[in-house]
Amino acid sequence: AQKITQTQPGMFVQEKEAVTLDCTYDTSDPSYGLFWYKQPSSGEMIFLIYQGSYDQQNATEGRYSLNFQKARKSANLVISASQLGDSAMYFCAMREAGNTDKLIFGTGTRLQVFP
Amino acid sequence: GAVVSQHPSRVICKSGTSVKIECRSLDFQATTMFWYRQFPKQSLMLMATSNEGSKATYEQGVEKDKFLINHASLTLSTLTVTSAHPEDSSFYICSAPRTRGYSRETQYFGPGTRLLVL
Repeated sequence: AQKITQTQPGMFVQEKEAVTLDCTYDTSDPSYGLFWYKQPSSGEMIFLIYQGSYDQQNATEGRYSLNFQKARKSANLVISASQLGDSAMYFCAMREAGNTDKLIFGTGTRLQVFP
Repeated sequence: GAVVSQHPSRVICKSGTSVKIECRSLDFQATTMFWYRQFPKQSLMLMATSNEGSKATYEQGVEKDKFLINHASLTLSTLTVTSAHPEDSSFYICSAPRTRGYSRETQYFGPGTRLLVL
């Protein structure tokens, strides 16, 4: 069965520093997609970055980059130059196998950025 | 700006009443939308897949007669919580995948609806 694991319930980082949020996944399907979302206290889910299983390069979107290590089945999110506004819950998600757009979510990591 | 809207953002209702939540894709057509439920400090759990022009597909353990889903058009899906009870109080959030050509890289979420049943 497919599974997403986020082992860090909470992380602290100082403003302007970089932080890595861990995500590992398990799937037997060769074709899959990995997502990261940010959920601030307001509740909205903000799409951050996507990595396809066949993508040759690691995805990057501004200050967000995805450290995709396929052999290890990990898709860690790296946030560079952290800002106070980055404090939020972060969820890793995987698109289910097959012709579906269903997402399976990890349990999330609460990131707190301090001055 | 937001590409998926949800209404209402908050609702408080009495036990036994029904509540309808709307999810709209704003500038793209979505033949499929998803409904999730999130309890405090927990992750999102998929409830059902809303399919335009056909019946919704419910995840295991989700009562289809309790959570009625109607995909009325290519930009609108509704979730109706029927005969709501306090245990239905939760954060309900919808999403819609947005494809770019053959890529399925983007799935946008609505802002969510907080339901409190008294």
